[in-house]
Amino acid sequence: QQQVKQSPQSLIVQKGGISIINCAYENTAFDYFPWYQQFPGKGPALLIAIRPDVSEKKEGRFTISFNKSAKQFSLHIMDSQPGDSATYFCAASMDFNKFYFGSGTKLNVKP
Amino acid sequence: EAGVAQSPRYKIIEKRQSVAFWCNPISGHATLYWYQQILGQGPKLLIQFQNNGVVDDSQLPKDRFSAERLKGVDSTLKIQPAKLEDSAVYLCASSSGLMDYNEQFFGPGTRLTVL
Repeated sequence: QQQVKQSPQSLIVQKGGISIINCAYENTAFDYFPWYQQFPGKGPALLIAIRPDVSEKKEGRFTISFNKSAKQFSLHIMDSQPGDSATYFCAASMDFNKFYFGSGTKLNVKP
Repeated sequence: EAGVAQSPRYKIIEKRQSVAFWCNPISGHATLYWYQQILGQGPKLLIQFQNNGVVDDSQLPKDRFSAERLKGVDSTLKIQPAKLEDSAVYLCASSSGLMDYNEQFFGPGTRLTVL
């Protein structure tokens, strides 16, 4: 049973455009929703995270939008740059452990 | 600050052989995680330690996988015997504790190929 469903599988965006990646979950016990960025040959690195008591969190060009009633959350990358080309994973967690990751989105930002 | 270290970086074995992976977490980090990342998928948690105790190993295939974290620092993950479907990247991560959502820092992973 997949705890977190992520889409799209791959995404191509022009430089300067907006990249949007979506995730959905079922378990309402989740209380922490991080996004990770992974470059080839490297481990994932935390990008930004949100708790369900807020609907949006912004850090630089990265924004998480959270819809508790729909059990969905999304990552928006504004002014996408070629250096943002990587694989992005959403995740969900509860009780400070049991992290469940989405299947990943491979982002390619064209110059 | 040194990151999470893992070795070896790559390993090729034949099915039914045994293999072991080593992880050295960031100094002072109490929580250590082992993940399995199959190509094209997200990481799947195999086991989580708090110091040298197991917090969660519900997704660890215990008939062939084992892990230990002696003295609450380094950790080893072993597969015995390996199957073709064990081909994956094995990621180790560490965080400073379990009292809040502390950032997990991942190592570069060990890429295992089982032939």
